[in-house]
Amino acid sequence: GAGVSQSPSNKVTEKGKDVELRCDPISGHTALYWYRQSLGQGLEFLIYFQGNSAPDKSGLPSDRFSAERTGGSVSTLTIQRTQQEDSAVYLCASSLATLYGEQYFGPGTRLTVT
Amino acid sequence: RKEVEQDPGPFNVPEGATVAFNCTYSNSASQSFFWYRQDCRKEPKLLMSVYSSGNEDGRFTAQLNRASQYISLLIRDSKLSDSATYLCVVNTGRRALTFGSGTRLQVQP
Repeated sequence: GAGVSQSPSNKVTEKGKDVELRCDPISGHTALYWYRQSLGQGLEFLIYFQGNSAPDKSGLPSDRFSAERTGGSVSTLTIQRTQQEDSAVYLCASSLATLYGEQYFGPGTRLTVT
Repeated sequence: RKEVEQDPGPFNVPEGATVAFNCTYSNSASQSFFWYRQDCRKEPKLLMSVYSSGNEDGRFTAQLNRASQYISLLIRDSKLSDSATYLCVVNTGRRALTFGSGTRLQVQP
């Protein structure tokens, strides 16, 4: 079946602009996660959605970052007033069962802030 | 101390060799464990879950030692295509997975 999809695959933006990144999880997966990975670094957790519960935003690095998930499916990560240090690959993952379940990743969006 | 610690490597091994990676985790409440594989500039992909009794998938064997809080991955008969970064991943049930920083494997002809 279809895996996790993300768009755009690449995004180049100027410092100070806002960007929106989209994630479409695997159908039927109730949990959705956003991570980011800077060049040569490990994965950094950003935010987690589970069903209709309030999201866990504890990993968001600043209030310039926000995310929403509409209808329990598609999610959008928004970065306002982008900075050069926001340049990274933003990865979305979804999971059928939360807490202990395996997560499946999308191909990521490579964000470059110039 | 990091929640999940791995030797970054690189491990450079010849084709056909057996190689083992270890990983330690700090949270004794951790409930599930995985190995993911990440190729250069690609997303992580699930390689295998790790069960208490140990489990095997072809050339790959994973072991879990809860008492010592470490996880291992053994790759037998290494192939060139095994070259990648191997991520040790732990789920404490709080929220998302906690990833180690990865161990890089380079299999040489």
